[in-house]
Amino acid sequence: AQSVSQHNHHVILSEAASLELGCNYSYGGTVNLFWYVQYPGQHLQLLLKYFSGDPLVKGIKGFEAEFIKSKFSFNLRKPSVQWSDTAEYFCAVNARDSNYQLIWGAGTKLIIKP
Amino acid sequence: NAGVMQNPRHLVRRRGQEARLRCSPMKGHSHVYWYRQLPEEGLKFMVYLQKENIIDESGMPKERFSAEFPKEGPSILRIQQVVRGDSAAYFCASSPSPRRGGSNYGYTFGSGTRLTVV
Repeated sequence: AQSVSQHNHHVILSEAASLELGCNYSYGGTVNLFWYVQYPGQHLQLLLKYFSGDPLVKGIKGFEAEFIKSKFSFNLRKPSVQWSDTAEYFCAVNARDSNYQLIWGAGTKLIIKP
Repeated sequence: NAGVMQNPRHLVRRRGQEARLRCSPMKGHSHVYWYRQLPEEGLKFMVYLQKENIIDESGMPKERFSAEFPKEGPSILRIQQVVRGDSAAYFCASSPSPRRGGSNYGYTFGSGTRLTVV
């Protein structure tokens, strides 16, 4: 069965620090990869996605993620975080073989200290 | 074009009562997904429905939980005889097709219903 693992449940950074949130998935076939963000009190919003092509994908608000197939990873990065990036971040995966059902990681709560 | 509408935003129920959560998908979307988010946990898939059909309910608890998506009207997630452990945020998402799952392809989330069982 597919699963998604996010390594850190809580991350605390100061403004301007660089961010990397880990995401690993377990599935050997072709996958689509997503990062969603949930700001406090709001619904989930898509941050970025990877379907095919360039493994380095750029999303909104300065975020990017790199798909490394050999490592089954899709880590989220941002070179310089802002206080407004405080949110919970979810990695998700789906695959044609599982009818494109989204499988979610447990989420990482990111707190940016001003 | 309104997004996915969920109501109520907050719902308080006493143990043993019934909870009904509503989800109106985006216009043009015929696929609805319900997720549950427990504190400190990620989103857990519950059920995937198309109009008048349950496609995948592998994430639904076997008892007390049911879902429907009638030909007319919103999708309803129904929890009978609620218990404290049902307290969670319930999110609905919709898409025009089950493929891909990304927002640009229509996988849009509602604001959720926060159920509190007292």
